[in-house]
Amino acid sequence: QVQLQESGPGLVKPSQTLSLTCNVSGDSISSGNYFWSWIRQHPGMGLDWIGYIYHYGRTYYNPSLKSRVTISVDTSKNQFSLSLNSVTAADTAVYYCARGTVAAAAFDSWGQGTLVTVSS
Amino acid sequence: DIQMTQSPSSLSASVGDRVTITCRASQSISRYLNWYQQRPGKAPKLLIYAASTLQSGVPSRFSGSGSGTDFTLTISSLEPEDFATYYCQQSHNTQLSFGGGTNVEIK
Repeated sequence: QVQLQESGPGLVKPSQTLSLTCNVSGDSISSGNYFWSWIRQHPGMGLDWIGYIYHYGRTYYNPSLKSRVTISVDTSKNQFSLSLNSVTAADTAVYYCARGTVAAAAFDSWGQGTLVTVSS
Repeated sequence: DIQMTQSPSSLSASVGDRVTITCRASQSISRYLNWYQQRPGKAPKLLIYAASTLQSGVPSRFSGSGSGTDFTLTISSLEPEDFATYYCQQSHNTQLSFGGGTNVEIK
């Protein structure tokens, strides 16, 4: 049973960089059947797809965030990461990491989510 | 970008009711449509993928249908644990997107 766990600072100052890591256990991140994604949810709002990465490094980003986002993967540590720069209060949200199936591009496993607040 | 519109945004229903939620895509997405359930304070859970395929472990009272631009999620008989928010998500191309959600509340 795969498990995903987000980690990183819960508080980030405006204009700084938000950095989160998702540790994957119970499955190899190098599995060719999946991709690895970040999704966020503003307080009381819906789900926003941020982007995803394949184990070999190919990335796809939401156009609305593309200029500020980098997703990377470390297969040796079985984890992947999110970096979002120049943050503002509008980036305050719960951030989820998730595993996506290549066949249907459906998110079949999720981390519990981590709240990141942008405030000085 | 493909926009996903869900309706209604919220509904009130009773245990045992049949509930239908609609998701409409701004362009044809074939059957590249997935449905999720999110309970308060929890991560979303995949219910249905490829428009109508039930994810392993999901009760059979959940069903999905549709293709092209119009899709539905049906709960045949609401159980207490089904009161939650439901989201659709399109996977037609590499730019993924979610619908705005439908909150199913207790009447």
